[in-house]
Amino acid sequence: QQQVKQSPQSLIVQKGGISIINCAYENTAFDYFPWYQQFPGKGPALLIAIRPDVSEKKEGRFTISFNKSAKQFSLHIMDSQPGDSATYFCAASKPGNTGKLIFGQGTTLQVKP
Amino acid sequence: EAEVAQSPRYKITEKSQAVAFWCDPISGHATLYWYRQILGQGPELLVQFQDESVVDDSQLPKDRFSAERLKGVDSTLKIQPAELGDSAMYLCASRREAGANVLTFGAGSRLTVL
Repeated sequence: QQQVKQSPQSLIVQKGGISIINCAYENTAFDYFPWYQQFPGKGPALLIAIRPDVSEKKEGRFTISFNKSAKQFSLHIMDSQPGDSATYFCAASKPGNTGKLIFGQGTTLQVKP
Repeated sequence: EAEVAQSPRYKITEKSQAVAFWCDPISGHATLYWYRQILGQGPELLVQFQDESVVDDSQLPKDRFSAERLKGVDSTLKIQPAELGDSAMYLCASRREAGANVLTFGAGSRLTVL
């Protein structure tokens, strides 16, 4: 059972544009929602994360918007750059000490110069 | 910057053969995870260790997969016998302390089963 659904599967954006990736979750027990960035040949790396007690978190050009009632959250990349071209994964985890992450399917972003 | 080390980076094997992957987490990280990432999909947890103990192996196909972390430091994931459907990236991750949310992933071991 897929608990975190991510869309779109792939995304092409022009340099300077806004990239938007969406995720929806099913389990209301989730309390931590990170986004990971993965370049080819590398492991995923934490990009930005949010908890459900806030509706938005911004770090540089990256913003997470969180809608608890809709059980959705999204990643916005402002002023997208070719160096942002990568695969992005949303994830979720439950409270407790396990730290286990449940990942979405991933979105491959291509930023054209 | 500290990294999670994994080897081999690439492994090609024939079905029914045995394969093993090794992971050395960041020094001092007590929690270690093995994830499997099938091409085009997100990583899925196979097994989680807290020190040398297995915390969660509910998604580990125990008929063919095994994992150990004998001294609570490095870890080995073994597949025997390998099947075509095992072709994937095997990612190791570690976490600094219980309650911390940030997982640091290694570069992965890509397995191709022919």
